[in-house]
Amino acid sequence: AQKITQTQPGMFVQEKEAVTLDCTYDTSDPSYGLFWYKQPSSGEMIFLIYQGSYDQQNATEGRYSLNFQKARKSANLVISASQLGDSAMYFCAMREGPRSGAGSYQLTFGKGTKLSVIP
Amino acid sequence: SQTIHQWPATLVQPVGSPLSLECTVEGTSNPNLYWYRQAAGRGLQLLFYSVGIGQISSEVPQNLSASRPQDRQFILSSKKLLLSDSGFYLCAWRGRTPLLTDTQYFGPGTRLTVL
Repeated sequence: AQKITQTQPGMFVQEKEAVTLDCTYDTSDPSYGLFWYKQPSSGEMIFLIYQGSYDQQNATEGRYSLNFQKARKSANLVISASQLGDSAMYFCAMREGPRSGAGSYQLTFGKGTKLSVIP
Repeated sequence: SQTIHQWPATLVQPVGSPLSLECTVEGTSNPNLYWYRQAAGRGLQLLFYSVGIGQISSEVPQNLSASRPQDRQFILSSKKLLLSDSGFYLCAWRGRTPLLTDTQYFGPGTRLTVL
């Protein structure tokens, strides 16, 4: 079974509107972390936001927020007030195990969602 | 501040030729380092990671290899390229976010085309 599932291959949003990108995950580890990255056409992966499995509040970072529903194993990214520069691929990723310390600290990525912002 | 470099940025190589991609990190010591491959329009596939000099773990058996000759240098190599090796290769290092959690920060990538 896939550990990270992003069911939306592509999404369109009108400029200045909000958009939600879906991500569901599968793990039996009680300690894990969820990440969202943005990949513009240049190719570089840009870290956006992080949510830990023990974090009580949903993470927010500027116009980005993470709608974390632990029981449903979902970690959707919400982008408010979309801008043209938000057009990119967005990847959800998961780390299983402690948030710091020794170890490989591997991330498992979903297949991504292509977001297009329409003027 | 920490920065990560990759070169070359783009590369076109014939089938059967050798490959060497380089990744270096500045501003940190003994980081975990990672090599990923991204096929066109696909997600990221972890190829190798390293937790220290000379320590390499392979995630996918293939004709690629990795080496870490120095603390902040990570090299991806092949003796004979295949058509299926074409893709976008990303190097990443494990760093700490301003909120004091660890994440992976990525380099600009190398776009490899094997003809």
